[in-house]
Amino acid sequence: EPEVTQTPSHQVTQMGQEVILRCVPISNHLYFYWYRQILGQKVEFLVSFYNNEISEKSEIFDDQFSVERPDGSNFTLKIRSTKLEDSAMYFCATRQALSGNTIYFGEGSWLTVV
Amino acid sequence: AQSVTQLGSHVSVSEGALVLLRCNYSSSVPPYLFWYVQYPNQGLQLLLKYTSAATLVKGINGFEAEFKKSETSFHLTKPSAHMSDAAEYFCAVSDRGNEKLTFGTGTRLTIIP
Repeated sequence: EPEVTQTPSHQVTQMGQEVILRCVPISNHLYFYWYRQILGQKVEFLVSFYNNEISEKSEIFDDQFSVERPDGSNFTLKIRSTKLEDSAMYFCATRQALSGNTIYFGEGSWLTVV
Repeated sequence: AQSVTQLGSHVSVSEGALVLLRCNYSSSVPPYLFWYVQYPNQGLQLLLKYTSAATLVKGINGFEAEFKKSETSFHLTKPSAHMSDAAEYFCAVSDRGNEKLTFGTGTRLTIIP
């Protein structure tokens, strides 16, 4: 079974600090996503990324957030200046092609902002 | 806009009993529908998906779900619960031309020995 790999599994950071969450997609996948899940709440879509650009983003994904795929393999989510309310589990997900294919999720990165 | 409603944030069933987790969706176009499972301290694993083929979809671990357009439902069932089924279950919907998944609030399934 192919896997999406995320690092770190857990990070604690001070409010105002920058955080980078990393994801290694499944090798032949072309579409990449970030979702988040605040403790006790539903999983929410943040952003989708294809062909080195954002294809869709939610209202949550404001100027404090950015994504990139700097080396053609890792897919990263950067939070520029973390807030307490950014504490959540962040899931990377990838898909091979757009229509009909399964989205595979990683195991998540748990971010705690203190 | 799409949405998913999962009735019952917590469901408890006895080991060996029928599992029924309810999901209703709202979509302006024919949807793709999914059930994901999240075991403690793990990520989201796809259980099954409906993408306009057979309305009764079979997934992993003995789960299945039936797409009922008239009821806008996609309930998840398993004939006989096992202790290892204890987890959080999420129903999700996407438009066929839209990439993103919209999730329900989840149902925590507890199995009583």
